[in-house]
Amino acid sequence: GAGVSQSPRYKVAKRGQDVALRCDPISGHVSLFWYQQALGQGPEFLTYFQNEAQLDKSGLPSDRFFAERPEGSVSTLKIQRTQQEDSAVYLCASSLYGLSSYNEQFFGPGTRLTVL
Amino acid sequence: DQQVKQNSPSLSVQEGRISILNCDYTNSMFDYFLWYKKYPAEGPTFLISISSIKDKNEDGRFTVFLNKSAKHLSLHIVPSQPGDSAVYFCALNGGTSYGKLTFGQGTILTVHP
Repeated sequence: GAGVSQSPRYKVAKRGQDVALRCDPISGHVSLFWYQQALGQGPEFLTYFQNEAQLDKSGLPSDRFFAERPEGSVSTLKIQRTQQEDSAVYLCASSLYGLSSYNEQFFGPGTRLTVL
Repeated sequence: DQQVKQNSPSLSVQEGRISILNCDYTNSMFDYFLWYKKYPAEGPTFLISISSIKDKNEDGRFTVFLNKSAKHLSLHIVPSQPGDSAVYFCALNGGTSYGKLTFGQGTILTVHP
């Protein structure tokens, strides 16, 4: 497919469980973003990769959240010891260029995480 | 401390009329302004944008207005169509070299036939 894909689309976890969320960006896109969208809110920035380098992780809410993009394409967002407040839709976005404020971000459909 | 606010959670409009969605921001560092549209179970899709050096940008039925002195952004859709029914987010960029976006809370637009 030509767009950003994410898997799984839905994930239910018991509190305390670890989860891993995958993002496949558009091929060739340099930039990759993760956002968290709580119910009834807009997406909030979590972290940014330029190729394999994680240049900004200022939005990660705690040290239980970890993201990687080891080969500069697929990215994984891992949440350890999930808590109920982690329940949200996790959105991945990619854009073609790196250092550019003005290039469009293309979003995936998101992974809806529910922590029981 | 919300830097970007969409004060109307929802808007209902008759088909053919104008829809006006609003967005207010507090930080002057924002220099590029976007509107995204989101359907249920899908990711946001880009609709239209404007840079801080302009005050209006038009694309078909969609026009974005920027009032920098008031720190206010609006999206006009005319004429509105039932297929426009979705959640609309304003998203602002500024302060980074790579395009980190700060989103509003969203406005649910319903266009009635």
